[in-house]
Amino acid sequence: AQSVTQPDIHITVSEGASLELRCNYSYGATPYLFWYVQSPGQGLQLLLKYFSGDTLVQGIKGFEAEFKRSQSSFNLRKPSVHWSDAAEYFCAVGSPMTTDSWGKLQFGAGTQVVVTP
Amino acid sequence: GAVVSQHPSRVICKSGTSVKIECRSLDFQATTMFWYRQFPKQSLMLMATSNEGSKATYEQGVEKDKFLINHASLTLSTLTVTSAHPEDSSFYICSAPAPGWEQYFGPGTRLTVT
Repeated sequence: AQSVTQPDIHITVSEGASLELRCNYSYGATPYLFWYVQSPGQGLQLLLKYFSGDTLVQGIKGFEAEFKRSQSSFNLRKPSVHWSDAAEYFCAVGSPMTTDSWGKLQFGAGTQVVVTP
Repeated sequence: GAVVSQHPSRVICKSGTSVKIECRSLDFQATTMFWYRQFPKQSLMLMATSNEGSKATYEQGVEKDKFLINHASLTLSTLTVTSAHPEDSSFYICSAPAPGWEQYFGPGTRLTVT
């Protein structure tokens, strides 16, 4: 069965420290990969996406993610976290293989990031 | 960027009543919209795909008669939770897809059924 796994439910990081959020997927073929951030009162915002090509993807707000086919992973990173990065982060995958699945996303369980002073 | 709004942002209703949630694309037309449900501290689960001018398609396990979806125009999709019960309490989110597989998400509607 297809799945998206975010192993860390909750991460606490100090402001200025680096952050890495893990995402693993299980799909028949390489899916489209996304990272979204959800802040209270706001809709999910796309941080970055990967379809093909360069495996290191740059996104908004200083985030980047690396696609590793051998590990079926798409981990999100930020070198220096700001207090405003405290939010819920979701990894999502989409399967472009069929028209029935076009546009549909399967989300991981999410990782809550807490930033301490 | 494109904006999707939802109304209401919060609603409390009594068990047995029906509640309608609106999802609007404010500056673009959306022939398709998606409806998700999010339980506290959990992931978003796709419920259904709303198609303008045709019937919605529901994901496996989602009750069509419980969650009525109407996509009346290119900018409006509605989700009606019929005969709501406390277990229907959740956070409902809509989204509209854009070219390049990007999606624009609404801010969500918190439904509480008492």
